Amino acid sequence: EAQVTQNPRYLITVTGKKLTVTCSQNMNHEYMSWYRQDPGLGLRQIYYSMNVEVTDKGDVPEGYKVSRKEKRNFPLILESPSPNQTSLYFCASRQNSGNTIYFGEGSWLTVV
Amino acid sequence: GDSVTQMEGPVTLSEEAFLTINCTYTATGYPSLFWYVQYPGEGLQLLLKATKADDKGSNKGFEATYRKETTSFHLEKGSVQVSDSAVYFCALSDYGYGQNFVFGPGTRLSVLP
Repeated sequence: EAQVTQNPRYLITVTGKKLTVTCSQNMNHEYMSWYRQDPGLGLRQIYYSMNVEVTDKGDVPEGYKVSRKEKRNFPLILESPSPNQTSLYFCASRQNSGNTIYFGEGSWLTVV
Repeated sequence: GDSVTQMEGPVTLSEEAFLTINCTYTATGYPSLFWYVQYPGEGLQLLLKATKADDKGSNKGFEATYRKETTSFHLEKGSVQVSDSAVYFCALSDYGYGQNFVFGPGTRLSVLP
């Protein structure tokens, strides 16, 4: 089954404690992306990657890092989380030339 | 840059009512247009799409027509059900290698029995 899998789905953490949200897709997609969803703001792109070792900033990259060492994985790293990073995060993937994007189920992150 | 505007929610309807959620876009090229749906506690799922002017996307009783002259892609359903309660996102993607998706803010729909 074609899937984008994120972990953890739910996390409460404290300010400054580094955390990583993993994302994996089994569709051999080149393009992967991270979004955050906040009330009234819709989805905003954090980072994206068009292929292995190729990453680029989206609209709201501050406070986040990513890496793309393998095609299937695209982890999101919060080196020093702050309360304004409390949000719902989505990983997504598609073919570079494709016009349909597939989403993971989301990761609820609370920073206290 | 490209942008998508949706009607503000929440929208509350009774079962079997007619639904319209307005969506308009601004794009420099000739984008593909999409509606995604997010059910409670789940990720976004593609509901329907249209890739060129005058195309009609349809799925699960929902329809939307790509109107280039009015830069719109309004979502409609003739008779909503309680199970249609969700958040609906209009989105566009300028066709091309690696082009990004741009999402609207989402419209929450609640259908009452």
